[in-house]
Amino acid sequence: EAQVTQNPRYLITVTGKKLTVTCSQNMNHEYMSWYRQDPGLGLRQIYYSMNVEVTDKGDVPEGYKVSRKEKRNFPLILESPSPNQTSLYFCASSFSMNTEAFFGQGTRLTVV
Amino acid sequence: GQNIDQPTEMTATEGAIVQINCTYQTSGFNGLFWYQQHAGEAPTFLSYNVLDGLEEKGRFSSFLSRSKGYSYLLLKELQMKDSASYLCAVRIISGNTPLVFGKGTRLSVIA
Repeated sequence: EAQVTQNPRYLITVTGKKLTVTCSQNMNHEYMSWYRQDPGLGLRQIYYSMNVEVTDKGDVPEGYKVSRKEKRNFPLILESPSPNQTSLYFCASSFSMNTEAFFGQGTRLTVV
Repeated sequence: GQNIDQPTEMTATEGAIVQINCTYQTSGFNGLFWYQQHAGEAPTFLSYNVLDGLEEKGRFSSFLSRSKGYSYLLLKELQMKDSASYLCAVRIISGNTPLVFGKGTRLSVIA
């Protein structure tokens, strides 16, 4: 089954404790991206990647890192999480930026 | 900057037709997506318009006017399961991010 898998689905952590949210897709998509979704603000792009070893900042990259060492995986790293990073995070993949995106199930992160 | 506007909330009756509008002011426009998102779930793709005109897909249709910076999503024969948020997203070929989402329109379908 074609899918984008994110883990974990829910995470509560403390300020400053490094964490990684994994994202994996099995559709051989070249384009992958991370979004955060906050009430009243909609989906905002954090980082995106057009292919292996190619990553670019989106609109809200501060406090986040990503890597794209393999085509299928695109982890999101929070080196020192802060409470303002409490949000719902989505990973997405697509063949290109001009085709439909497939979203993961979401990761609800709470930083206390 | 990039600006995308959608109504925050709409209510419509089961069986009726509803039109959800999206206006945008962007530079480097290269297409417009519509996604559906049920509460607590991931967005799912509905349509992608690049050229002006209406594209129909079952009960859902999407319209684009590039000259007016305007799109709408038309939902016919509304069903209760259509209660969801509808997200308009603009594909940009310049700027920080290649895809900019509007804040979404929450549609409630009532009996």
